Amino acid sequence: DGGITQSPKYLFRKEGQNVTLSCEQNLNHDAMYWYRQDPGQGLRLIYYSQIVNDFQKGDIAEGYSVSREKKESFPLTVTSAQKNPTAFYLCASSHLTGNTGELFFGEGSRLTVL
Amino acid sequence: GDSVTQMEGPVTLSEEAFLTINCTYTATGYPSLFWYVQYPGEGLQLLLKATKADDKGSNKGFEATYRKETTSFHLEKGSVQVSDSAVYFCALSIEGKLIFGQGTELSVKP
Repeated sequence: DGGITQSPKYLFRKEGQNVTLSCEQNLNHDAMYWYRQDPGQGLRLIYYSQIVNDFQKGDIAEGYSVSREKKESFPLTVTSAQKNPTAFYLCASSHLTGNTGELFFGEGSRLTVL
Repeated sequence: GDSVTQMEGPVTLSEEAFLTINCTYTATGYPSLFWYVQYPGEGLQLLLKATKADDKGSNKGFEATYRKETTSFHLEKGSVQVSDSAVYFCALSIEGKLIFGQGTELSVKP
């Protein structure tokens, strides 16, 4: 089945450690996105990419890094510089051409810093 | 800047009650408007959308009409079910970016 796969679903990290969240899609979408979700704050855009080997910062990129070496994959690294990393992270993808803004989401990864 | 404002939750209803979740937006251009739904522990799914003024989006008994004059896109359902319990997000798309409201939690009791 076509879709977006995020892993791991749950992740625990000690302070000072970097962690990488995986996002893979087989929908042949050009664009991919990472959002952070906190209670009562909705979704905030971290990074997005519209083409392989290129990506742009979203509204809250500080303390995060991404790569887009393949069209299907858009991993997110939460670095030790991120001051408050405990959150629910959502990956999404979309077409670019003819797109009216519909995003397809993965099931999310919940990161907890111990 | 562009933004979306939703009514605060949680909203608690009895089964078969009428639902309205208010959503208003601010945008400099002509956005497309969306409602997404998030069931517990899952990602978001598109519920319905409208791409121009006076369009009505509908799906699974939910409806929303794009009202340019009031910059609103309120979500309605005539008779909610327990299975509708979820968080609902209003969103707008403009210049390739999707901007979300803060979400409204709906809890439907039997």
